[in-house]
Amino acid sequence: AQKVTQAQTEISVVEKEDVTLDCVYETRDTTYYLFWYKQPPSGELVFLIRRNSFDEQNEISGRYSWNFQKSTSSFNFTITASQVVDSAVYFCALSEASGTASKLTFGTGTRLQVTL
Amino acid sequence: KAGVTQTPRYLIKTRGQQVTLSCSPISGHRSVSWYQQTPGQGLQFLFEYFSETQRNKGNFPGRFSGRQFSNSRSEMNVSTLELGDSALYLCASSWTPLGQGLRRETQYFGPGTRLLVL
Repeated sequence: AQKVTQAQTEISVVEKEDVTLDCVYETRDTTYYLFWYKQPPSGELVFLIRRNSFDEQNEISGRYSWNFQKSTSSFNFTITASQVVDSAVYFCALSEASGTASKLTFGTGTRLQVTL
Repeated sequence: KAGVTQTPRYLIKTRGQQVTLSCSPISGHRSVSWYQQTPGQGLQFLFEYFSETQRNKGNFPGRFSGRQFSNSRSEMNVSTLELGDSALYLCASSWTPLGQGLRRETQYFGPGTRLLVL
């Protein structure tokens, strides 16, 4: 069975600090997809990034960067120079490629609080 | 393109009643998935519909059901509501390429329906 673990329940940082959100996953599939979503207080899940299991290249998008390491089954997310607008709950999710259906298995989320 | 829309946004029901939630996917998306989010259980997969057929189902009782129409719009129904059904219900849509293969497309979520059962 697939599983996603986000061990950090809540993180508080001061604006401009860098912060890394951890994500560890378990799956028996060799082909799978990993995602990060952001959930602001409004409730909508906002898509941030998608990675497939064959692409271990790290990605940077502005202040966001992602580190995917298959050897440790981790897909960590770093926000550089955090801002108050980054305050939200962040979810890591896994989708296996076997079968015809798609289903996201989510971690429990990490609440990030950025203060001035 | 308009995003995923869900109606209603807020709903208050009493135990024993039933409720129907609606989801309109992004134009061109044919797959619709439903998730339940509660403080205790987190985000849990309910079911997925593609071309009016349920392709996958999560571990929820039969009181939870859904359907998809020919225009890809989807509804989910919860019958005989219980207090524990109070949750944020999120709908997500994704584009499914022809000849599905093993590719998994990104799911884009709507704003959700907050259901409170009293």
